[in-house]
Amino acid sequence: DADVTQTPRNRITKTGKRIMLECSQTKGHDRMYWYRQDPGLGLRLIYYSFDVKDINKGEISDGYSVSRQAQAKFSLSLESAIPNQTALYFCATSDPFRGPTDTQYFGPGTRLTVL
Amino acid sequence: AQSVAQPEDQVNVAEGNPLTVKCTYSVSGNPYLFWYVQYPNRGLQFLLKYITGDNLVKGSYGFEAEFNKSQTSFHLKKPSALVSDSALYFCAVRDSSNAGNMLTFGGGTRLMVKP
Repeated sequence: DADVTQTPRNRITKTGKRIMLECSQTKGHDRMYWYRQDPGLGLRLIYYSFDVKDINKGEISDGYSVSRQAQAKFSLSLESAIPNQTALYFCATSDPFRGPTDTQYFGPGTRLTVL
Repeated sequence: AQSVAQPEDQVNVAEGNPLTVKCTYSVSGNPYLFWYVQYPNRGLQFLLKYITGDNLVKGSYGFEAEFNKSQTSFHLKKPSALVSDSALYFCAVRDSSNAGNMLTFGGGTRLMVKP
C-alpha cells in the first residue's frame, strides 16, 4: 500500500550495530504499529502508538525502541542488533475513529539481516 | 488471553477448484476477526473482516469467510481458485472485551494454486 512507506526495504548489518527503520504514512491515521514476521510465527507486535505522545510496548519489545516524531512518522530502532533480530519488519496504521474494528493498513516491509 | 490458530502450514488446490483456509480462535468476549493476504515482497493486504451480523462475510477478490461461533472458527473460502491467489494468508483476532486489546495474528497458511 503506497500510503504507508518503509525505508530501507532491505538492510544487512552486523551484530552490535545500531539501526533505525523508518515508517511514514499519508493516510492521516493516528495509530501506528511495528511488527516483526518470522516464518511460522505470523506477525508479532513490537510497539504501538495511538498518537504522538502515546507509546506502548507490544508482545516482544525487548531489544527495540521507537520514536513517534510526528503523526505521520514512526521509527523503530535496534540499539545493538543481534542475529535473532533477523526478520521481516512491518509498519501498519489504523484509524480508531472508523470504529473499534481496527482494520490495519501495512507498509511493504523491511527485510533485516543481522550477521 | 486471545489467540488464533491456523492449523495448516500449506494448502494445495487445483485452479478452478474451491479452496478453504482454516482459522480457529479463542477470546473471552466477542471476536473481531480479520483475514489478510501477503503476496511475495509485499505487505499484508486486508481481505475481509467479521465484526457482527451476518455470519457470511464477503471480501476482496471473490473471497468470503464464514463465522461459526459454536466452533470458534472463521474459515476463508473461495468457490473457484485462481493461480494468482497463491500467497500467504493470515487470520487475526481482536477480543472486543477490552478496548486495549491489539490484534493477534495466526502463523499464516501458504496457499498454492496449481494450473
